[in-house]
Amino acid sequence: DAKTTQPPSMDCAEGRAANLPCNHSTISGNEYVYWYRQIHSQGPQYIIHGLKNNETNEMASLIITEDRKSSTLILPHATLRDTAVYYCIVRPPGNFNKFYFGSGTKLNVKP
Amino acid sequence: DGGITQSPKYLFRKEGQNVTLSCEQNLNHDAMYWYRQDPGQGLRLIYYSQIVNDFQKGDIAEGYSVSREKKESFPLTVTSAQKNPTAFYLCASTADFSSYNEQFFGPGTRLTVL
Repeated sequence: DAKTTQPPSMDCAEGRAANLPCNHSTISGNEYVYWYRQIHSQGPQYIIHGLKNNETNEMASLIITEDRKSSTLILPHATLRDTAVYYCIVRPPGNFNKFYFGSGTKLNVKP
Repeated sequence: DGGITQSPKYLFRKEGQNVTLSCEQNLNHDAMYWYRQDPGQGLRLIYYSQIVNDFQKGDIAEGYSVSREKKESFPLTVTSAQKNPTAFYLCASTADFSSYNEQFFGPGTRLTVL
C-alpha cells in the first residue's frame, strides 16, 4: 500500500490560498489520491479525488505531479471555517478496507 | 437529505458492560464500515460489510462485534472484552466496495468508559 507523508500543521491567512502538500512516492499507477478533512469532533468530509489529471470542484483543486509522487490540495480562498485536519489518502484498487487515514495536516486559518 | 446517522452522539459506559452504537444510512449504499479514532490519531478500521448478511474483520476487530441484517443498518457492539474502548467511533458507507467513489461518514459517537 502506498503511504502518504503530510506536514503535521500549517497556517494560512483568511482570504488567502491554502496549499496543502502530500508526498506519496510509492504510489502505484492505478491508485487514486483522495483528500478528506475533519473538523473537530465531526466525521471526515470528502473533498476531492483524482488519478492523474488535475481536478477542481466547488471546494478545492487537486494538483498531481506528472510522476504522481506528490500532490497539492488548494483551497483558493481560505475561511475560518476551513480550519480542520486534512487527510491525504492513496487507495489501492479494489478494496475500501485499505482506505487508510493517517494523522493528516492541521490547517489553522487565522484572521 | 441522504446521509448517515449515528446515535447517540455521546455515550457513557461502565467497565464490564456491553454497549451498541447505531449507524443508519439512507444512501442505498451496499458497503458500510466502522472506524475508531483516538485523540490526535487517524482512523483505524474495525469491521466492514460489503453487502447485507456479510461482514469482515478490519485491523482492530478484537473486542467488537457487528451485524448487517438490513442494507441500511450496521450496528457496532463494543464488548467488555475491548480493553480500551474510550474513543470516537465513526461509521461510513460507500456505494459499493470496489468502486472509486468517495466514502461518506456519519457524525460519530464519542464513547467514554467510566
